[in-house]
Amino acid sequence: QQQVKQSPQSLIVQKGGISIINCAYENTAFDYFPWYQQFPGKGPALLIAIRPDVSEKKEGRFTISFNKSAKQFSLHIMDSQPGDSATYFCAAGIYSSASKIIFGSGTRLSIRP
Amino acid sequence: DAGITQSPRHKVTETGTPVTLRCHQTENHRYMYWYRQDPGHGLRLIHYSYGVKDTDKGEVSDGYSVSRSKTEDFLLTLESATSSQTSVYFCAISGADRANTGELFFGEGSRLTVL
Repeated sequence: QQQVKQSPQSLIVQKGGISIINCAYENTAFDYFPWYQQFPGKGPALLIAIRPDVSEKKEGRFTISFNKSAKQFSLHIMDSQPGDSATYFCAAGIYSSASKIIFGSGTRLSIRP
Repeated sequence: DAGITQSPRHKVTETGTPVTLRCHQTENHRYMYWYRQDPGHGLRLIHYSYGVKDTDKGEVSDGYSVSRSKTEDFLLTLESATSSQTSVYFCAISGADRANTGELFFGEGSRLTVL
């Protein structure tokens, strides 16, 4: 199976809170797990990505947690800011081939001031 | 910006008419992709190209064809548009010249409405 399941579909978080988006995959051959951020009227842009050799990767306020045995990974946004309001897509695929990347259905995140 | 231009950005057409969307890149990247974005479905790959005149199908290729006669241009054609092809179409290129590392850079999208 090639699906990547993403939840929740939408999320509202207070400014300064923690935003958490979860994803699950099925294909054990996947070895690359990126997150993309998309603002209205723009194309998605790579936010952060992780390979399965580590369980966590942090870049600023953004952290990916990865659980290989459960085939799950999540994005945590610490100290969420109104500027983080966007749609977030998780994805899973084969690192050596962008044509093999499968995207989740997206999460619309709104940060309330 | 990754040097990707999509045209047209917006188009309204009628069922049964042909439509061509153009993606132009200035990055000289080997790999180019067409995705469609629909609510509840995320981004789905339509077709991709791994070089001039080298293309392959993605997961939702029915009703679409592509052509790449130059490194910088990748065309997506709907031979006879249907209402189910109403969507936002994104072109993307890979992040590397020689090795396809999986990172994608996206254009700003082309919104197509088929009446």
